[in-house]
Amino acid sequence: DAGVTQSPTHLIKTRGQQVTLRCSPKSGHDTVSWYQQALGQGPQFIFQYYEEEERQRGNFPDRFSGHQFPNYSSELNVNALLLGDSALYLCASSLQGQGGPYEQYFGPGTRLTVT
Amino acid sequence: GIQVEQSPPDLILQEGANSTLRCNFSDSVNNLQWFHQNPWGQLINLFYIPSGTKQNGRLSATTVATERYSLLYISSSQTTDSGVYFCAVPRGGTYKYIFGTGTRLKVLA
Repeated sequence: DAGVTQSPTHLIKTRGQQVTLRCSPKSGHDTVSWYQQALGQGPQFIFQYYEEEERQRGNFPDRFSGHQFPNYSSELNVNALLLGDSALYLCASSLQGQGGPYEQYFGPGTRLTVT
Repeated sequence: GIQVEQSPPDLILQEGANSTLRCNFSDSVNNLQWFHQNPWGQLINLFYIPSGTKQNGRLSATTVATERYSLLYISSSQTTDSGVYFCAVPRGGTYKYIFGTGTRLKVLA
C-alpha cells in the first residue's frame, strides 16, 4: 500500500521565480491538503483540494495556487517567490466521507530554499 | 479561531523514563490527531483520537473532548522517540487543520 509521495525532495530557487511541487495521495484517498512549515514552527494550512476543486483555504496570498487531477494527485504552485517562502512543504491526504474531516496522512515533504 | 497549545514546549528524558505530553484546545472539536515529526521532517501518525483512550505499544493517548484537552503518554522512552510531537485539530466546521505549538522531546541514552 503506497503512502503519500512528494516530489521533488529538495529544491533551490531564486527570488521572483515560480515553483511547482507535486503530491500523490495514499492509495484510496481522494482529498489532498497542503501545508507550509517554517523552521521551528508547526505546519500551517495552505489549502485543501477535493473533487478537483479548492475546498478550503488558509491565510496565504494568491501567489499560492494549486490543482487536483482526476487521479487525485495534486500540484502546489508558488509564483513570484520570496525569501520568506523558504520552508518545508507538506502534502497530506485523507478520504472524504460523511462527518469528516478524517485522518490525514503526510508525505515526506519538499524542502524549498529561496535565495 | 481555535487556539491549540501544547506543553511542555521542551522535554529531556533519560532512556527508559515515562512522560506525558498535553494538548489544550480552545474550542470543541470532532477529531484530533497526534503526530511525531522525526529529524528528517516526516510527520508520522500516532493516533487519530476524537475522544476516549487508545494504546499502541509503548504509546497511549486520551482525549477528553468535553474538557478540551488530550494527553499523549510515552512509556519506557527510547532514543528513537526523539523529535517533535504535534497535536492537530480541525477548525470548527471546516476542513482546515490547526497544529499545536509542539513539544520537542530529546531522549538521552
